[in-house]
Amino acid sequence: GESVGLHLPTLSVQEGDNSIINCAYSNSASDYFIWYKQESGKGPQFIIDIRSNMDKRQGQRVTVLLNKTVKHLSLQIAATQPGDSAVYFCAEKPSSNTGKLIFGQGTTLQVKP
Amino acid sequence: DTGVSQDPRHKITKRGQNVTFRCDPISEHNRLYWYRQTLGQGPEFLTYFQNEAQLEKSRLLSDRFSAERPKGSFSTLEIQRTEQGDSAMYLCASSPIVGNYGYTFGSGTRLTVV
Repeated sequence: GESVGLHLPTLSVQEGDNSIINCAYSNSASDYFIWYKQESGKGPQFIIDIRSNMDKRQGQRVTVLLNKTVKHLSLQIAATQPGDSAVYFCAEKPSSNTGKLIFGQGTTLQVKP
Repeated sequence: DTGVSQDPRHKITKRGQNVTFRCDPISEHNRLYWYRQTLGQGPEFLTYFQNEAQLEKSRLLSDRFSAERPKGSFSTLEIQRTEQGDSAMYLCASSPIVGNYGYTFGSGTRLTVV
């Protein structure tokens, strides 16, 4: 399954399919980006990060793509599992002079068995 | 080290009361952050420390909010004269200064003001 456009509040996929979650960020000077997974009642859990001098980074079952031209970030999850069901947030660090992160709107991923 | 710890997990308070939350970061992390999250929204930055120094504060941090990190280890966030609009999840995170910025979050303190 794939979210259409830049952001969808909810993405529903079949177990075993690949998922793509999209995010538009706001600041062209942002130098670092993180994807977080948040389950109900828990704090955000780090999934994968990428620096602005890269356009792709792979982890275990996850890939982050960065398109600085259009200020777009995506998270690809391979072979989505029921345990992947959660809210996913992208976050950007707006400059090298700050430590704060700015979070985007979350996307709820629902995995159907 | 089991990660970032926050205490309490839940707090219910009456409007007008003061509350204080505690955060214990990962021990080797120099930076500590406070965020606030309301239902259905992403976390919003409040403030952060590098060691003992408070380096940045958001405009969201009104004069009723104060955060401290006196010895560069644990931090406290105090809210005075709580209002119903303060009801939220208060999240703490920590990170090293250099290298992997991968901020690690705690489980948060859920504040309900009645």
